[in-house]
Amino acid sequence: LAKTTQPISMDSYEGQEVNITCSHNNIATNDYITWYQQFPSQGPRFIIQGYKTKVTNEVASLFIPADRKSSTLSLPRVSLSDTAVYYCLMNSGNTPLVFGKGTRLSVIA
Amino acid sequence: KAGVTQTPRYLIKTRGQQVTLSCSPISGHRSVSWYQQTPGQGLQFLFEYFSETQRNKGNFPGRFSGRQFSNSRSEMNVSTLELGDSALYLCASSSGTTSDTQYFGPGTRLTVL
Repeated sequence: LAKTTQPISMDSYEGQEVNITCSHNNIATNDYITWYQQFPSQGPRFIIQGYKTKVTNEVASLFIPADRKSSTLSLPRVSLSDTAVYYCLMNSGNTPLVFGKGTRLSVIA
Repeated sequence: KAGVTQTPRYLIKTRGQQVTLSCSPISGHRSVSWYQQTPGQGLQFLFEYFSETQRNKGNFPGRFSGRQFSNSRSEMNVSTLELGDSALYLCASSSGTTSDTQYFGPGTRLTVL
């Protein structure tokens, strides 16, 4: 099953930009890269999805280089409420989502 | 649009009992997937239903089963509960088309005593 590698944890101060990098060396042609955010005891919340280059929405940006073997989730000006676990996944077709351990982001005042 | 809803939100059962969890997908979504989340194993895929048919299945014992109704609502059943079944059970819905985003519900917290 498709797997990604991302840092286990990161710390940041409020107001800073946070970049979380995800490695997916075995990404397939049909795979999209999707990021979810999860707070304790809640369901994962979709953040952003992309295939290549750059995608931006109201909460984050996703940067994907040409070889697509990695991607970077960028959260601008984080606040305490952004403290959560962030998951990077590859998904294609109708295959089930495969979650790794995610990155635990702690935002400090 | 209303999001994915799951009922009940919390449940306490004893070993040997059975339990049924319910999931209502986002309107228009035909695919419903179920996941189990525990501190030790993380988020693991249970099964997916699309148009009332099981389309994918994870590596869980036969005690875990599900079904989907014609209105796309889905139920998950766990029989002969074990202590290790204590977990957050999450349901996700999508349109079921290629690379479509899955949207998760709030989950049902099951505690087995």
